[in-house]
Formats: sequence, structure tokens, C-alpha cells
Amino acid sequence: KAGVTQTPRYLIKTRGQQVTLSCSPISGHRSVSWYQQTPGQGLQFLFEYFSETQRNKGNFPGRFSGRQFSNSRSEMNVSTLELGDSALYLCASSSDRRGYTFGSGTRLTVV
Amino acid sequence: DQQVKQNSPSLSVQEGRISILNCDYTNSMFDYFLWYKKYPAEGPTFLISISSIKDKNEDGRFTVFLNKSAKHLSLHIVPSQPGDSAVYFCAASALDNFNKFYFGSGTKLNVKP
Repeated sequence: KAGVTQTPRYLIKTRGQQVTLSCSPISGHRSVSWYQQTPGQGLQFLFEYFSETQRNKGNFPGRFSGRQFSNSRSEMNVSTLELGDSALYLCASSSDRRGYTFGSGTRLTVV
Repeated sequence: DQQVKQNSPSLSVQEGRISILNCDYTNSMFDYFLWYKKYPAEGPTFLISISSIKDKNEDGRFTVFLNKSAKHLSLHIVPSQPGDSAVYFCAASALDNFNKFYFGSGTKLNVKP
């Protein structure tokens, strides 16, 4: 059974640009959540998608958005990048059980 | 608002001894707790969970204890092994939003051979 796949693994962008990250959940998992990890801050919840609908949202500015497709694959978009957006972005999928399976993450560096 | 806190950024333990990682939470509505382990350049992997109807859950060398009155949980690793060296995150969620987890900032465990 394939795990959660995130692409790309690494990304370098310039301030002001936008970026799109992709996540393919475990087959059969309909819930996809996104987290931002920065040093000392742990994992900060961005949003959760379930059956193509945003079910939960964290306290991030509107520059952070996402969507989910009919095959449960999800994308996350960050517009007008700032230096502070440099982080590891983690995608996690889950079935009906509580708890996640995480992907390996996308390391975003904004310069 | 940091609803889940891990106040020890790091912990160093000798191989074979017990490792105790602590986690505090503020939201009394949390009823389900998880521990994840994370190696560098990898995503977190699930370790162990506990529901608020229990005060202890054990899985091999890993035991999680929950003290609801103190809003505190701890992860015990016995005996500790060098391969346990990683960052450990605790996470909590509430039944009314059961798949939204709040994570602590992590504790980096170093198990010395």
C-alpha cells in the first residue's frame, strides 16, 4: 500500500512569487490535512479537506489556500511568498479513524 | 494559542534507561491524544495513541500515561535505544472536530550509546 506522496520534496522560490505543492493521499483516504512546520513552532494546522470540501481551517492568512480533487489528491497554494513562509509543509491523510499518516513533506525555502 | 505544549525542547538519555517525554494541554475538550516520532528529512510517523477514557496505553517499549485532572500526558520509552533518537511530538484533538489535531513544538530525544 503506497504511502502519502508529496511533490516536490524541495523548492526554492523568491519573495513575491507563488507556489503550489501537491499531495497524493493513501488510496481510500478521503481526508487530507496540511501542516506547516517551523523550528520551535511545532506543526501548525493549515487546513483539512474532505471529499473536495474544506472541513477545517487554521489561523493562516488568505495567501494560503488549498483544494482537493475528486480522486482525493490535494494541492496547497501560497501566493505572494514571504521569507517567513520558509518551512517544511506536511500533508497527512486519514480514513475514518482518528489520526494521520504523514508524507515526507516539501521543504520550501523563500529567498 | 498554543493549546498543546511540550516544555522540554530536548532530552538526553543513556541507552537502556527510561526516557520520559512530557506534554501539557489546556483545552478540556481534548479527548484523544497521539504521539508521533520524526526523523530528519522524513514525515512524522505514528507511535501510540490514548483516548481520554483510559489513563494508560502500552505498546511494546512505549507507554503513554494520561492525567486528565492535570491535563498532562507523558510518553515512557523503556529501555531506550539509540534508534529512538528523534523528535517526538504530542498531539490532541476534540471529539467535535476529531480530525483537527493540535501539536506541541516537539522534544528532541538523544539516546546515547
